[in-house]
Amino acid sequence: DQQVKQNSPSLSVQEGRISILNCDYTNSMFDYFLWYKKYPAEGPTFLISISSIKDKNEDGRFTVFLNKSAKHLSLHIVPSQPGDSAVYFCAGGATNKLIFGTGTLLAVQP
Amino acid sequence: NAGVMQNPRHLVRRRGQEARLRCSPMKGHSHVYWYRQLPEEGLKFMVYLQKENIIDESGMPKERFSAEFPKEGPSILRIQQVVRGDSAAYFCASSPGGPNAEQYFGPGTRLTVT
Repeated sequence: DQQVKQNSPSLSVQEGRISILNCDYTNSMFDYFLWYKKYPAEGPTFLISISSIKDKNEDGRFTVFLNKSAKHLSLHIVPSQPGDSAVYFCAGGATNKLIFGTGTLLAVQP
Repeated sequence: NAGVMQNPRHLVRRRGQEARLRCSPMKGHSHVYWYRQLPEEGLKFMVYLQKENIIDESGMPKERFSAEFPKEGPSILRIQQVVRGDSAAYFCASSPGGPNAEQYFGPGTRLTVT
């Protein structure tokens, strides 16, 4: 049972444009959601989180949107930079346990 | 402020041997989590510990796997009698605790069972 799904394995965008990464979930008990960025052979790096009672959180170039009725969240990166190229994981959090999606590989083309 | 430390970064074991993975949380963090990433998959929760206590081990295989977080020293994930299917990247994360706390990850230990 995959509680968190990232249906796009990969995404390619031009430098300077917007990157939109999507995530769907099935577990209504998640208290919060997080996005992590991961380079090969490194641990995930925390990017941004959102409480389940909010619908938007913004931090610099990163904005996360949460649509609870659709059980959907998205991460917007604008403007995209080549250094943003990495695998992005969304995760749902409940009782201190994180449930991760399978990741989306973002490639930002110069 | 040092981040989460894990060692070794790479570990090779023959089938049947024991693997010990260590994790030192960030300074000030008393909550430790272990996750496993199999090839082509996302991270899967294994266990959540606080000092001297296992809080949630619902993701741990019932046999051969154990974890501890002693009063002094790092958290240890121990895998006895390793099999090829244990080959994976094992990540440790720590948090200061509290509701909706972010978890910060270490660089991981890549275990290869030959």
